[in-house]
Amino acid sequence: DQQVKQNSPSLSVQEGRISILNCDYTNSMFDYFLWYKKYPAEGPTFLISISSIKDKNEDGRFTVFLNKSAKHLSLHIVPSQPGDSAVYFCAAVGGGSQGNLIFGKGTKLSVKP
Amino acid sequence: EAGVAQSPRYKIIEKRQSVAFWCNPISGHATLYWYQQILGQGPKLLIQFQNNGVVDDSQLPKDRFSAERLKGVDSTLKIQPAKLEDSAVYLCASSHNMVSYTFGSGTRLTVV
Repeated sequence: DQQVKQNSPSLSVQEGRISILNCDYTNSMFDYFLWYKKYPAEGPTFLISISSIKDKNEDGRFTVFLNKSAKHLSLHIVPSQPGDSAVYFCAAVGGGSQGNLIFGKGTKLSVKP
Repeated sequence: EAGVAQSPRYKIIEKRQSVAFWCNPISGHATLYWYQQILGQGPKLLIQFQNNGVVDDSQLPKDRFSAERLKGVDSTLKIQPAKLEDSAVYLCASSHNMVSYTFGSGTRLTVV
């Protein structure tokens, strides 16, 4: 049973436009959420995070929104750049996970020039 | 700050052979994780160490996988004997506060 779900395997966006990546979760006890970016042949790199007590966190071109009632979070990238093309993983901590990350399956973002 | 070091980067073995992976976490990080990432999936936890003690190994296939972190610093993950379905990227990560996690580049294992 997947506790963290990324239902879109891929997303294609034009350079300069907004990229919106979505993530749903089932465990209401998760208290911290993270987004990781992964290039081929590299390990995941931390991008941005949000605590469950907040509904928005912003860092430059990246903003994460959390809707606890809907158990949904989204990552917005504005403006999108070709270098943003990668696989993006949503991950959650807490809810009995003992501090380990529970990942979604990832969304492959392609930003076209 | 040096990152999480993993070796080897790539390994090809035949099924039923054994293989070992090594991880050196960021200095001072008490918590170390091994994740398995199968193609098209998200990383899945295999084992979590706090210093040299095991916190969670509930998803480790203990009939063939073993891991140790004897001195609470670096760690090794072993598979013996390997199966075709063990083909994956094995990621090591470390954390000092269970809020910030740093991953190594991973070891890509191919079992033929």
